[in-house]
Amino acid sequence: QVQLQESGPGLVKSSETLSLTCGVSGYSISRGYYWGWIRQPPGKGLEWIGSIFHSGRTYYNSPLKSRVTISVDTARNQFSLKLTSVTAADTAVYYCARLPHCTSRTACYDGGRYLDYWGQGALVTVSS
Amino acid sequence: QSALTQPASVSGSPGQSIAISCTGTSSDVGGYNFVSWYQQHPGKAPKLMIYDVSNRPSGVSDRFSGSKSGNTASLTISGLQAEDEAVYYCVSYTGSSTPVLFGGGTKLTVL
Repeated sequence: QVQLQESGPGLVKSSETLSLTCGVSGYSISRGYYWGWIRQPPGKGLEWIGSIFHSGRTYYNSPLKSRVTISVDTARNQFSLKLTSVTAADTAVYYCARLPHCTSRTACYDGGRYLDYWGQGALVTVSS
Repeated sequence: QSALTQPASVSGSPGQSIAISCTGTSSDVGGYNFVSWYQQHPGKAPKLMIYDVSNRPSGVSDRFSGSKSGNTASLTISGLQAEDEAVYYCVSYTGSSTPVLFGGGTKLTVL
């Protein structure tokens, strides 16, 4: 059974960098799939942040692109999120997820087609 | 890219059927058969209900079905049950440098 678990500080000061890690069990990141981050501000909808392939290829949501870095550590079977210069607007529950991207051995769609396994989410609050 | 458009809320009585729409453009919903739907209960992580327009993952009730016509996808829930009350999100692949696009979410109320 594939399981994902977010970890990291729950409180970050304004203007500093938010860092989260997603540990994956039950599946080796090196085998494939995209792996992504999604966030949800309190009382609001879901927002895709970005996705990464085990090779390190990344895709980011345009509004966040200048502040986001997603990286992968295949040896530890985990991937990470860094969001710089945070403000109160970055306060949210942050989820990690797995994204299948191929429909066959030859038909693959970079970034991911859908999100099949999700972590439980981690609330990160940005304080002033 | 703008978020996919979903109605803010829908409602139905137990046993009835409802449909939730998800409208995009020819660059996302209309351009690919990669629309997915997620159910989110309060305080919980989203759960995949439909992928690739109309496919159900193992374990998802066959009361949930998906379809697409042009730039609009739909999630239909038949035989409404109290446990179906949740927020539902659609997602589409876009094929662009921002490949994953979410809808704004629809709150389903079971009366």
